[in-house]
Amino acid sequence: EAEVAQSPRYKITEKSQAVAFWCDPISGHATLYWYRQILGQGPELLVQFQDESVVDDSQLPKDRFSAERLKGVDSTLKIQPAELGDSAMYLCASKGSGEQYFGPGTRLTVT
Amino acid sequence: RKEVEQDPGPFNVPEGATVAFNCTYSNSASQSFFWYRQDCRKEPKLLMSVYSSGNEDGRFTAQLNRASQYISLLIRDSKLSDSATYLCVVKGYNFNKFYFGSGTKLNVKP
Repeated sequence: EAEVAQSPRYKITEKSQAVAFWCDPISGHATLYWYRQILGQGPELLVQFQDESVVDDSQLPKDRFSAERLKGVDSTLKIQPAELGDSAMYLCASKGSGEQYFGPGTRLTVT
Repeated sequence: RKEVEQDPGPFNVPEGATVAFNCTYSNSASQSFFWYRQDCRKEPKLLMSVYSSGNEDGRFTAQLNRASQYISLLIRDSKLSDSATYLCVVKGYNFNKFYFGSGTKLNVKP
């Protein structure tokens, strides 16, 4: 069964450092999402891509977060500089013609 | 107002019980509806889509009431393994955007 891949699975970083997450969606899925989930809350959309284009980044804190999907396949989410409040699970999801499927997530701890 | 609202629970039920969760959504133009299950510190996984006519998958039944803008999930004969957080998800009227509720936590006790 095809899966969404993410790496790293866990990341501990000090505040003010840069951190990057990678996502490889299910092959053929044109839509890719990055979500942030804080414990006890539902996932919150950070950015949505359709192929290589950003469709929605209205909730992305653009002063410190950036995302790209240069060839319309895999994607990178970067935070620079990281802040204590960025500690959360970062989930990538992809969607073909039906539902969206999630990767295992990257759990970020900022110290 | 949030796009999707759920009772956070927790719902604490004994094995074998029937339990129901509701979820309300704010935009009447919403197109598609889903229930996802999320285990602690894991990613959400699709449990079932919700169709206008209602649908059933084993012990799970989902219903949609467009007039009242709510979705329900019924779990019959609860198992210990059903313990998880259940996320209500609505696909918006705009391009492929999904809105998540904050989740309802279910604890099934022996």
